[in-house]
Amino acid sequence: EAGVVQSPRYKIIEKKQPVAFWCNPISGHNTLYWYRQNLGQGPELLIRYENEEAVDDSQLPKDRFSAERLKGVDSTLKIQPAELGDSAVYLCASSLDRTATYGYTFGSGTRLTVV
Amino acid sequence: QKEVEQNSGPLSVPEGAIASLNCTYSDRGSQSFFWYRQYSGKSPELIMFIYSNGDKEDGRFTAQLNKASQYVSLLIRDSQPSDSATYLCAVPIQGAQKLVFGQGTRLTINP
Repeated sequence: EAGVVQSPRYKIIEKKQPVAFWCNPISGHNTLYWYRQNLGQGPELLIRYENEEAVDDSQLPKDRFSAERLKGVDSTLKIQPAELGDSAVYLCASSLDRTATYGYTFGSGTRLTVV
Repeated sequence: QKEVEQNSGPLSVPEGAIASLNCTYSDRGSQSFFWYRQYSGKSPELIMFIYSNGDKEDGRFTAQLNKASQYVSLLIRDSQPSDSATYLCAVPIQGAQKLVFGQGTRLTINP
């Protein structure tokens, strides 16, 4: 079974440019999460989807960040325009149900560097 | 008070010794607790979870939970250099619909 797939693995962009990250969850996993991990810190939740509905986006900086999960499978996270402080690893995770009963499975992440 | 707190370390342990990693949490309603291991440049990998008070053993790893004290720990016996990584404690909050991570403890096993 394929795990959570993310792309790209690395991205370097200049500030004020747009960037997008893509995630394909484990087949059958209805709940999808986007986390951001700053250097030396634990992951922090940005947004949680149940199928195609964003049920928790309270930590998503909505002035520059947007996300979508069309058809309840793949998801895209976008930043426009990027700022220097957005440099981090963006992790996608999925779980079989809406609770964290069995934990999450993470993808390999996208390391974003804004210069 | 942070929802999940860990000592960031670094924690240095000689090879073959026991490494002890600690985590406290604030949500008394939390029912399950997770330990993730993260190698440098890699994503977090789930290695242990525990639901009940007491100990849970899996090979060289033992998770310990004390709900009254809101404390969970991870013991690694016979530590190996390959155990060198950052260990993240994670606790579900808000009715288990949101997994919150501690900042992680960086562990180094010295040969």
